[in-house]
Amino acid sequence: EPEVTQTPSHQVTQMGQEVILRCVPISNHLYFYWYRQILGQKVEFLVSFYNNEISEKSEIFDDQFSVERPDGSNFTLKIRSTKLEDSAMYFCASSLAANTEAFFGQGTRLTVV
Amino acid sequence: KQEVTQIPAALSVPEGENLVLNCSFTDSAIYNLQWFRQDPGKGLTSLLLIQSSQREQTSGRLNASLDKSSGRSTLYIAASQPGDSATYLCAVYSGNTPLVFGKGTRLSVIA
Repeated sequence: EPEVTQTPSHQVTQMGQEVILRCVPISNHLYFYWYRQILGQKVEFLVSFYNNEISEKSEIFDDQFSVERPDGSNFTLKIRSTKLEDSAMYFCASSLAANTEAFFGQGTRLTVV
Repeated sequence: KQEVTQIPAALSVPEGENLVLNCSFTDSAIYNLQWFRQDPGKGLTSLLLIQSSQREQTSGRLNASLDKSSGRSTLYIAASQPGDSATYLCAVYSGNTPLVFGKGTRLSVIA
């Protein structure tokens, strides 16, 4: 069964460093998303991506964040200068259309020290 | 702004019991509602998607209902098993923002 794949599963980084989280969405899907979940809190939307551009972003997704689809299969989230409060589980998701079932990856646990 | 609430926050039941998890949302103008399962430290597994035009969806021992006008959905789990222990998340799609999640119900099924 097709699935969304995320790497790495866990990343530890020092405050101020850049990190890139990687995702391979389901191959025929057209919409891609990043969400995050701070420990003990709700899953929060960060950004959606369609047709090679950002379609929506939340207030959390400020200038420190960027997304890219560098080739036909990968979808990345970059955090330029990490802060302690960026520590969270980051989930990538994809869907065939905006209003169809979203499939999530297993997440990358980011720990900023 | 859409808000999603799930009650109860935690639930513990003996194996074999039927149970209902509740989800409510403040803005009834939704396109669909999706139920997910999350195991500790893991990703989200999609369980059921209900479109706004539907009243319910079934998958195995799971049945989800939707009452859009009252802003409510329920997830019914029949004959619960210890393997059903997880956090169950409800999320709604309203068209203006991708999925808005509730905080989840943590379910423990005791053997």
